[in-house]
Amino acid sequence: DVKVTQSSRYLVKRTGEKVFLECVQDMDHENMFWYRQDPGLGLRLIYFSYDVKMKEKGDIPEGYSVSREKKERFSLILESASTNQTSMYLCASFRGGGYGYTFGSGTRLTVV
Amino acid sequence: DAKTTQPPSMDCAEGRAANLPCNHSTISGNEYVYWYRQIHSQGPQYIIHGLKNNETNEMASLIITEDRKSSTLILPHATLRDTAVYYCIVSHRSKSTFGDGTTLTVKP
Repeated sequence: DVKVTQSSRYLVKRTGEKVFLECVQDMDHENMFWYRQDPGLGLRLIYFSYDVKMKEKGDIPEGYSVSREKKERFSLILESASTNQTSMYLCASFRGGGYGYTFGSGTRLTVV
Repeated sequence: DAKTTQPPSMDCAEGRAANLPCNHSTISGNEYVYWYRQIHSQGPQYIIHGLKNNETNEMASLIITEDRKSSTLILPHATLRDTAVYYCIVSHRSKSTFGDGTTLTVKP
């Protein structure tokens, strides 16, 4: 089975800190994604990547950046954390041809 | 990618079949129908997918209409642990949009 591993299940950070959320997948998928999920707002796409060193903005990229230096790893960076970035962050990888998405367990980030 | 429409919530009695509908009237010929579910505080979990034919696995069955404009996920014998948000998406590539899904509540 494909595994998508997110480095932290819970994180608490201070306002203004630079925050790194790490995601690793083990099945050589080219496509990787970062979503955030807030009550009543569903899953919203932040950034995605179709290949190494490639990235594209999703629906809510403001305040975030990403890095994909290796195929298996996709990092989400909060340049200067703010309280409105308190959320559940979900990483996913995707394979076409009917295989679909595999999600990580999520990181619940609290910015204080 | 085609957009999907799902009812916001449904109830089901424990042990009965849960039938969750999804409309995807703008689906194109090469788009798959995927179903995922999300239990509170966890990442969405893959359930089943299909292209044209009905599909069944150990978790559920997927019925796709002949015109492919709608589908139904069937949980044959719902348990309390099936209480979750169920998402239907259609895609042949990545960057799919997850709507609000259907909150299924299985009641004793």
